[in-house]
Amino acid sequence: SQTIHQWPATLVQPVGSPLSLECTVEGTSNPNLYWYRQAAGRGLQLLFYSVGIGQISSEVPQNLSASRPQDRQFILSSKKLLLSDSGFYLCAWRRGDKRSEQFFGPGTRLTVL
Amino acid sequence: GNSVTQMEGPVTLSEEAFLTINCTYTATGYPSLFWYVQYPGEGLQLLLKATKADDKGSNKGFEATYRKETTSFHLEKGSVQVSDSAVYFCALSERDRDDKIIFGKGTRLHILP
Repeated sequence: SQTIHQWPATLVQPVGSPLSLECTVEGTSNPNLYWYRQAAGRGLQLLFYSVGIGQISSEVPQNLSASRPQDRQFILSSKKLLLSDSGFYLCAWRRGDKRSEQFFGPGTRLTVL
Repeated sequence: GNSVTQMEGPVTLSEEAFLTINCTYTATGYPSLFWYVQYPGEGLQLLLKATKADDKGSNKGFEATYRKETTSFHLEKGSVQVSDSAVYFCALSERDRDDKIIFGKGTRLHILP
């Protein structure tokens, strides 16, 4: 069966520090991968998605970047965090079939102070 | 473009009450439709799905029927429990469009004992 992992689970970082969040998927190959942010009490904001190694689509211009160095690894990064980067970050995967559902990871709670 | 509209919350009900959370969509083709549930501090979990008109998705006592004529996918449960307290997201995915899933803004449900 397929599983999706995210780490760390929680993170507290000062403004201006770098960020690296990692997401990995097991039990499938060539998944589509997604990064979302969820502000407190709000809906989901799609940040990036990837349909293959090295292929990144950005949805919202911002202080973040994403990379996919391996088939089942998706990394979210920032060089300098802003207060507004605080939130709950969710990684998700789906099969290449565009009618299939997404499966979400457990999330990373980021607090920028 | 495609969109999902769901009723704003929070919705507060007493235990054993009947639940309806409305969801309507706009799509140019024939989307797959989903309901996701998010418990506090966790990622989203797929609750149920339907892939064509008149399909009924069901899981854990929840049901939703794909109504093409009214472009709706309302979530229902006959008797809610305190453990159903969560945020519920309606979503759609179209076969012939891009690789993204469109989510509604979420509806927070509170069940009182």
